[in-house]
Amino acid sequence: AQSVTQLGSHVSVSEGALVLLRCNYSSSVPPYLFWYVQYPNQGLQLLLKYTSAATLVKGINGFEAEFKKSETSFHLTKPSAHMSDAAEYFCAVSDQRTGGGNKLTFGTGTQLKVEL
Amino acid sequence: GAGVSQSPSNKVTEKGKDVELRCDPISGHTALYWYRQRLGQGLEFLIYFQGNSAPDKSGLPSDRFSAERTGESVSTLTIQRTQQEDSAVYLCASSPLSGNEQFFGPGTRLTVL
Repeated sequence: AQSVTQLGSHVSVSEGALVLLRCNYSSSVPPYLFWYVQYPNQGLQLLLKYTSAATLVKGINGFEAEFKKSETSFHLTKPSAHMSDAAEYFCAVSDQRTGGGNKLTFGTGTQLKVEL
Repeated sequence: GAGVSQSPSNKVTEKGKDVELRCDPISGHTALYWYRQRLGQGLEFLIYFQGNSAPDKSGLPSDRFSAERTGESVSTLTIQRTQQEDSAVYLCASSPLSGNEQFFGPGTRLTVL
């Protein structure tokens, strides 16, 4: 079984400050890891994904995440927050199967607020 | 190109009624997933279709929930005798055979009064 824990259901940062959203996972098999962003009244958009290549993954909008197997973590960071980053962020895990069938297990989400 | 589309975008129904939600995946995507997102919670997996294989129904919460997919096209999620706890956003996603990224639709917000 797999699970995802996102610490902090709400995170507030100042514009220009570092964004750090935490994600820890549990998986009995090598995982694929994903970060999705959800803007109000919209579907989920993929930010970035780890699929066993480089452990430091760069995504869209200046976000990046580092896979740390020893810590079972996949924290999302961005050096400088922008007002447009305000949204809900979901971390998700699936097992490394080919040919689809990668049903995702999601964390409960972190609502990011960016203040002036 | 066109993304995943879902209809209706909003559905309000009375307790005990049946509802049908529709998902149009990205053309050529063999895999299709349904998830449920309750208020303040993460997404819960419901069901997964892959081509003509038997669907993975392991996430369906009760026998009131069912889903169909014809080939690699449209899917419908049906909820019979709706209950208030069924109120949620129902999200559909699709992915290609060789890919591991899921592309999500905008969801259907279901409200059961």
